[in-house]
Amino acid sequence: EDQVTQSPEALRLQEGESSSLNCSYTVSGLRGLFWYRQDPGKGPEFLFTLYSAGEEKEKERLKATLTKKESFLHITAPKPEDSATYLCAVHERGSSNTGKLIFGQGTTLQVKP
Amino acid sequence: NAGVTQTPKFQVLKTGQSMTLQCAQDMNHNSMYWYRQDPGMGLRLIYYSASEGTTDKGEVPNGYNVSRLNKREFSLRLESAAPSQTSVYFCASSEDLPSTQYFGPGTRLTVL
Repeated sequence: EDQVTQSPEALRLQEGESSSLNCSYTVSGLRGLFWYRQDPGKGPEFLFTLYSAGEEKEKERLKATLTKKESFLHITAPKPEDSATYLCAVHERGSSNTGKLIFGQGTTLQVKP
Repeated sequence: NAGVTQTPKFQVLKTGQSMTLQCAQDMNHNSMYWYRQDPGMGLRLIYYSASEGTTDKGEVPNGYNVSRLNKREFSLRLESAAPSQTSVYFCASSEDLPSTQYFGPGTRLTVL
C-alpha cells in the first residue's frame, strides 16, 4: 500500500536551533514530492517540489532534499514565524492521470524565542 | 491575483440539510480538486476535475457531488449532510494533473 510517513509528529525548537523534518514514502514510482506549510486555520501553502533523488531546493531558512526513500526538510536557524505544520505529499506515477496526492500526517513545528 | 478562493469560510448544518461549497481560481489552471482534512486522517481527495467538462471520483466521494461550472469554478455539493461530513474542506488547482497543486483557505463545516 502506498504510504507517506512524517516524523516527528511534533517538534519544539529554540530560536536559532537548526533541525530536520523527515518524510518517508513507499510508492511504486515517484512522480513528484511536495512540501507544504500550513498555519492554523489556513490552507496549505506550497513550498517545494522535488522530482528525482539527489535534487535539492532552498528558500530562505528552508532546504528540501530527496532520496529514493525519503525527503528531509532542513530548517536552519529557525525563527518563531517558522512555527507551523509542515506537510509532505507524494504524487505517484500510477496516479499521474488522477492528480491524487498522498499526504503525510504532518509535523507541527514550534519555535520559541 | 487572489489565487484560489472558497466560500463560505464557516458553515453549520443540521443532519439532512444540503449545501454547496464554492471554489474559484484565477490562475488559468486546467485542473481542480476537492479535499477534506480530518484530525489523524490527513488530507484526502474527494473529487477532481482534470479539465473543464470532466470530473472524476477521488478517494472518498460518497455523499458528495461536484460541478465544474467553467474553467475557473468548481463546486462541491452535499445533498443530505451527515455528522461524518464534519470536516475542513479545501479546494485546490493546478496547471495540469501532475503539476503542483495550490490550495484555497478552506471551509470549516459542522454538521449537527
